[in-house]
Amino acid sequence: ETGVTQSPTHLIKTRGQQVTLRCSSQSGHNTVSWYQQALGQGPQFIFQYYREEENGRGNFPPRFSGLQFPNYSSELNVNALELDDSALYLCASSPYRGGMEKLFFGSGTQLSVL
Amino acid sequence: AQTVTQSQPEMSVQEAETVTLSCTYDTSESDYYLFWYKQPPSRQMILVIRQEAYKQQNATENRFSVNFQKAAKSFSLKISDSQLGDAAMYFCAYSEGPTNKLIFGTGTLLAVQP
Repeated sequence: ETGVTQSPTHLIKTRGQQVTLRCSSQSGHNTVSWYQQALGQGPQFIFQYYREEENGRGNFPPRFSGLQFPNYSSELNVNALELDDSALYLCASSPYRGGMEKLFFGSGTQLSVL
Repeated sequence: AQTVTQSQPEMSVQEAETVTLSCTYDTSESDYYLFWYKQPPSRQMILVIRQEAYKQQNATENRFSVNFQKAAKSFSLKISDSQLGDAAMYFCAYSEGPTNKLIFGTGTLLAVQP
C-alpha cells in the first residue's frame, strides 16, 4: 500500500470534452508527478509539481494542466480531449524532489475517450 | 535524449528458479539513477530496487539484485527463488537532475509457473 489514492478509477469521455482527474498523496509528500501510460507502453512523464508550483514538464501540450493543493491533493486537467488521450493516468508522490527519490504511485485512472 | 530499452516483452520462470530481466539505456550524463518498478494487475507501481550511477557496488534487496554495467549502459534485474507473487510487469526506469521525472522502458511481463 503506497498511501496514494486516485479517483475515479475509470472514466469515459467524448472527444472534445474536458476531464479532471484527482490524486491524494500522503501527508508530507510535497512533490507530485503525473504520468500517462498508453496500452502496452511504459508510463510517460506529463509534469511535476513541488509545493504547488510546476517544476518540470514532459512533451505534452498545454491542454494538459495541473494543480497541487496544500492538503497534499492534486488534479490533472485535460481540455479538448482527443482519442489518443485514452490511457491509464498515474500519479506519483514523494517527500522531496530529485532524481534519486522513490516514488509512491497510485493505482491510476483509466480514461477512455470515444 | 535519454532512452531506456527493454528487449524482452515477456519472460517465464518456474517457481523457486532464478530469472534475469534485461535493460539498456542511453545517456550522456555521468550522474543518474536507475530503477526497477513492478506493476501487478492492481496497476500500482511499486519500487523493487534502485541504483545510483556513481556507486560501483550492485544494489541488492532480499531476493532482488541488479547487475549494473555503467560502461555498457546495462542494468539487469535478477530475481532469485521466484515466487508466484513476483508475476507482474517489470519496468526499468532512468532518472537524473532536480525533478523526479522517470523515463521508463516498455516493460517485461514476467510469468511465474507453479
